[in-house]
Amino acid sequence: GAVVSQHPSWVICKSGTSVKIECRSLDFQATTMFWYRQFPKQSLMLMATSNEGSKATYEQGVEKDKFLINHASLTLSTLTVTSAHPEDSSFYICSARDGGSYGEQFFGPGTRLTVL
Amino acid sequence: AQSVTQPDIHITVSEGASLELRCNYSYGATPYLFWYVQSPGQGLQLLLKYFSGDTLVQGIKGFEAEFKRSQSSFNLRKPSVHWSDAAEYFCAVAPPRVDYKLSFGAGTTVTVRA
Repeated sequence: GAVVSQHPSWVICKSGTSVKIECRSLDFQATTMFWYRQFPKQSLMLMATSNEGSKATYEQGVEKDKFLINHASLTLSTLTVTSAHPEDSSFYICSARDGGSYGEQFFGPGTRLTVL
Repeated sequence: AQSVTQPDIHITVSEGASLELRCNYSYGATPYLFWYVQSPGQGLQLLLKYFSGDTLVQGIKGFEAEFKRSQSSFNLRKPSVHWSDAAEYFCAVAPPRVDYKLSFGAGTTVTVRA
């Protein structure tokens, strides 16, 4: 149980285009989902927290107009990187937690974004 | 705000030898504590977690960790390392019953030599 999927697993796009990444909790309802960004050989940096049906809360320094997050249902959150540029290239990881756990987060496999 | 320190950036260990990864945290109270493993190109897998109770925690893949309040530490150990244990290991903390936001350490890369 507690499986989180991400789609796509990797994506290459041209500079200036927008890219949408999906995060789904497959066998539980996720009251909260988190989006992280990971640079090569570095740790995970929390970008934002999203709760179903409400606006995402962004961490300091994260551009909310650049990284649009939607949590429309208890099993799906999306991250849209708008007008992507090469510096947005990174590994994006989502996680999800259900309200009944001790706050444990279950992580997706990640999405590798490369902007040319 | 909580913070996590993993002092060792890279550890090389021989197959069959023991492994210990260090983790120190800074937080006003006892946070929830986690160890995750990330294999190349993959997401994070939870090895073990500590919320309360017994300070020696058993996890998957033969790993264990010990919470020491006096030292604000949560070190990860494995008695005998296998080649498949080569990966990146992250210690993480979260404030209990608040927002459950995880703060990650910088990670320790483990290389296993034959």
